[in-house]
Amino acid sequence: NAGVTQTPKFQVLKTGQSMTLQCAQDMNHNSMYWYRQDPGMGLRLIYYSASEGTTDKGEVPNGYNVSRLNKREFSLRLESAAPSQTSVYFCASSEKSRRVEAFFGQGTRLTVV
Amino acid sequence: GQQLNQSPQSMFIQEGEDVSMNCTSSSIFNTWLWYKQDPGEGPVLLIALYKAGELTSNGRLTAQFGITRKDSFLNISASIPSDVGIYFCAGSTSGTYKYIFGTGTRLKVLA
Repeated sequence: NAGVTQTPKFQVLKTGQSMTLQCAQDMNHNSMYWYRQDPGMGLRLIYYSASEGTTDKGEVPNGYNVSRLNKREFSLRLESAAPSQTSVYFCASSEKSRRVEAFFGQGTRLTVV
Repeated sequence: GQQLNQSPQSMFIQEGEDVSMNCTSSSIFNTWLWYKQDPGEGPVLLIALYKAGELTSNGRLTAQFGITRKDSFLNISASIPSDVGIYFCAGSTSGTYKYIFGTGTRLKVLA
């Protein structure tokens, strides 16, 4: 099983450019998440989608937008990239139940120069 | 934003030794998760805890949900080289899907 798949794995952007990070899961999970990981900071939640058709801000949403395209796919968009958005981005998904363990993709390493 | 205090930040141990790490929060959580992350990979779930006082094992790993619901512990027995990585705790309050992650414990095992 593929689990959670993220594309691309690596990306370099110039300041001000835009891009969309893609995420798809094949586990039929209802909830999906986007996190960023910075050195020494652990993972911080950017946006999440509790179920298809809904999205909510997490801890650090500024500078990002998301789209829950369908149950499988949840994309993260940077409209105007800034160097502060250099980070590793992880998508995750979980089942909508009491047991909400999240399963993660392999990450997208983004550098903004 | 709120983060969990995880300790130690890093540790070097000899192969075969036991390892202990913990996570504390100022908030009460209803779920505690422990993840391991290898270089260049996403976090992988090790153990999930759902009740105060719960003790759960996964092979050589044992984790406990603290009685106060503000802390959790992870123990690794008889460490081996492949235990190297970063271990993260994560907590969640009831009715939310938002997990708060600790800053990680970096484990290095000396053969």
